[in-house]
Amino acid sequence: DGGITQSPKYLFRKEGQNVTLSCEQNLNHDAMYWYRQDPGQGLRLIYYSQIVNDFQKGDIAEGYSVSREKKESFPLTVTSAQKNPTAFYLCASTFLGGQTEAFFGQGTRLTVV
Amino acid sequence: GENVEQHPSTLSVQEGDSAVIKCTYSDSASNYFPWYKQELGKRPQLIIDIRSNVGEKKDQRIAVTLNKTAKHFSLHITETQPEDSAVYFCAAPSSGGSYIPTFGRGTSLIVHP
Repeated sequence: DGGITQSPKYLFRKEGQNVTLSCEQNLNHDAMYWYRQDPGQGLRLIYYSQIVNDFQKGDIAEGYSVSREKKESFPLTVTSAQKNPTAFYLCASTFLGGQTEAFFGQGTRLTVV
Repeated sequence: GENVEQHPSTLSVQEGDSAVIKCTYSDSASNYFPWYKQELGKRPQLIIDIRSNVGEKKDQRIAVTLNKTAKHFSLHITETQPEDSAVYFCAAPSSGGSYIPTFGRGTSLIVHP
């Protein structure tokens, strides 16, 4: 089955802690994206990557970091510098340059405790 | 970058009525316009898309229209059913030659039985 998988589904973070959200795809997509979803604010772009070992900041990158060591994987780390991390995080992927459908993972709900 | 405005933010209809959601975009070079449906707690999924060489596309009860001159496109749902209740997002590619999906803020559609 081709698709994009996020884990975990739920994640709890203590104050001052870094946490990493996993995103893996087997669609052979070059481009991968992380979005943050808050009620009434739609999908806001955190980071994106169009090629292995390269990534770019999106609109709300502060307090987040990413890596792209493999084409299939694009993990997101929420650092302690992110002061309001409680949100629903969505990973997505597309073919590069083709303006095609975005496929989404099932999302990770992160809560600060 | 691309700016996508979506209206309304909330739409409440009676079962059987029609629903229309509108989006405007800023980049005249954009030529791919998808609509995604997100049910509560789930991932967004593509329901219909349109490319700039056509003005309208239909798929059963849903249709999308595109006006490139005015830079807006709309989602039309006819004979709404309770299972149509969800959040709907429009998207447009950002400028600069790379396709970065940029989403509207979403419309929460509520269909009352």
